[in-house]
Amino acid sequence: SYDLTQPPSVSVSPGQTASITCSEDKLGDKYVSWYQQKPGQSPMLVIYQDKKRPSGIPERFSGSNSGNTATLTISGTQALDEADYYCQAWDTSHVVFGGGTKLTVL
Amino acid sequence: QVQLVQSGAEVKKPGASVRVSCRASGYTFTAHYMHWVRQAPGQGLEWMGWFNVNTGGTNYAQKFQGRVSMTRDTSIGTSYMELSSLTSDDTAVYYCARDAGLAALAIMDYWGQGTLVTVSS
Repeated sequence: SYDLTQPPSVSVSPGQTASITCSEDKLGDKYVSWYQQKPGQSPMLVIYQDKKRPSGIPERFSGSNSGNTATLTISGTQALDEADYYCQAWDTSHVVFGGGTKLTVL
Repeated sequence: QVQLVQSGAEVKKPGASVRVSCRASGYTFTAHYMHWVRQAPGQGLEWMGWFNVNTGGTNYAQKFQGRVSMTRDTSIGTSYMELSSLTSDDTAVYYCARDAGLAALAIMDYWGQGTLVTVSS
């Protein structure tokens, strides 16, 4: 089966850079999307096709994907970025989500 | 603006079925695939399948095959997800999510507000 592995939690200080990884064998061969979910809210797309930002998503959100690891990077992290983040990929016509990473802005 | 508005919370007994609706507006309903995703309490996102709103074609996650049905009514711009033989493990928030592409790209750019389904005897 296809599993996307994320760290359960990441902590970052305000203004610093947060990196959240998503790993699977040969993940770089697939497109990865990232979703942000705040408590009590629906998920929101923040990165698609590895590195593209939807309209309205701040430039501090960026993505990359190579080898076995995709990375979501948040530069100049703000308190409002505190949320759960999920990576997602597409494998043999089936969608798979990572287990999610709780980003804490200390 | 694009909106997906889902039906209200449901409480079901084990063994029953539930149907969740998702009314779309602000775009051409048949031009985008629809995904269904669920989230158990305190857990992560779980993809259930996608639905070709134009043709009625489906692609269900293996876990739900035989137990899930995704349909639509194009006259009212509404998608439906029905899940049968419910158990307590099906207690979750169920989301519809629009695919950004004209084909299934698995990019979910708009989400409904979620529907809580509680399965309890």
